[in-house]
Amino acid sequence: SQKIEQNSEALNIQEGKTATLTCNYTNYSPAYLQWYRQDPGRGPVFLLLIRENEKEKRKERLKVTFDTTLKQSLFHITASQPADSATYLCALINSGGGADGLTFGKGTHLIIQP
Amino acid sequence: DAGVIQSPRHEVTEMGQEVTLRCKPISGHNSLFWYRQTMMRGLELLIYFNNNVPIDDSGMPEDRFSAKMPNASFSTLKIQPSEPRDSAVYFCASSPGQPQFFGPGTRLTVL
Repeated sequence: SQKIEQNSEALNIQEGKTATLTCNYTNYSPAYLQWYRQDPGRGPVFLLLIRENEKEKRKERLKVTFDTTLKQSLFHITASQPADSATYLCALINSGGGADGLTFGKGTHLIIQP
Repeated sequence: DAGVIQSPRHEVTEMGQEVTLRCKPISGHNSLFWYRQTMMRGLELLIYFNNNVPIDDSGMPEDRFSAKMPNASFSTLKIQPSEPRDSAVYFCASSPGQPQFFGPGTRLTVL
């Protein structure tokens, strides 16, 4: 069966350190993988998209890697700040592209401690 | 720019009642998605539309759920009759392709 797995336990990181979140998937051939941030009581907010033929994408303090052989994406936040505390969701589109619906992992709750 | 607008933000109803959730997508976006989020199951896709046409409703849990998109600026998700297990946060999202832009959600409680 298809699965998207993220660490369900909260991740506690000291301010200033790099936070690394993991997304593993099975039985998917994703055309895209996306990362979203969700704060309590709010909808998910898009952060980064990486395509199947890309290995790495960066945006400011954020970096995403995508290894289709390992079926894994890593999401890094460098120089982490307490304001980065949130739940981070990875999501796949299992098709050749287009505006198909996303399949989400359950998210990892990240806590950045001052 | 206004983002995706959902109403109501909170809804409390009794089992057996009809519930209608509303969504106004971002202007110019041609795809609209309805998701449901619970602690147990996470965020699940219910149905999505391209150019107002339903494309995939395989995520709709039962016949009690129905969704419509009569025009490019409005969509509804209806539950009739509602049951306590329908309690969740329902999100609408719109997209010009990728990525998706989510509304603030409707928190539904069915007593």
